[in-house]
Amino acid sequence: EAGVAQSPRYKIIEKRQSVAFWCNPISGHATLYWYQQILGQGPKLLIQFQNNGVVDDSQLPKDRFSAERLKGVDSTLKIQPAKLEDSAVYLCASSLADFYGGELFFGEGSRLTVL
Amino acid sequence: DAKTTQPPSMDCAEGRAANLPCNHSTISGNEYVYWYRQIHSQGPQYIIHGLKNNETNEMASLIITEDRKSSTLILPHATLRDTAVYYCIVRVRGATNKLIFGTGTLLAVQP
Repeated sequence: EAGVAQSPRYKIIEKRQSVAFWCNPISGHATLYWYQQILGQGPKLLIQFQNNGVVDDSQLPKDRFSAERLKGVDSTLKIQPAKLEDSAVYLCASSLADFYGGELFFGEGSRLTVL
Repeated sequence: DAKTTQPPSMDCAEGRAANLPCNHSTISGNEYVYWYRQIHSQGPQYIIHGLKNNETNEMASLIITEDRKSSTLILPHATLRDTAVYYCIVRVRGATNKLIFGTGTLLAVQP
């Protein structure tokens, strides 16, 4: 079974530039998450989708971050303009949208360096 | 905010059991205890979860105290590949409920 796919794996940009990350969840998984992981910290939830609707985006810095999930499958996370403190690994995860809220499956992440 | 407390790091000898503690003294009756681990440069990986009873699967065992205020993850025969950060998380089970990570325990398995 294919896992969660993310791209690009690595990205280096200058501050004030923009960047986009792409995620393809496991087939049939209705719930999709984006997490930000700063070096030395645990992952922090940015946004959670159920199909193509937003369930929780309370921790998403909406002045610079945006995310969408068209047709309830793939998702993109965009940062514009980037700041130095956005340097982190961006993790995408998916899970079945059943009552039991099963385990999350994570991708390998996209590592962003902002110079 | 994370609702669990874990030691920042632990060592374990290869082949020995690794016992990772977690304190969750404010856990609610409908919250489950989940464990995930994150090997270097990879995304977190689900290990096990439980509510009240002890649980075992092919990866690990989860021991939850009777008052549910703490738990222990047991890796019965640790290998070098088990070196990772282990996260203990409490979560209300349900499709839309968040998984909130703390800083976890870095387990270093020594040869």
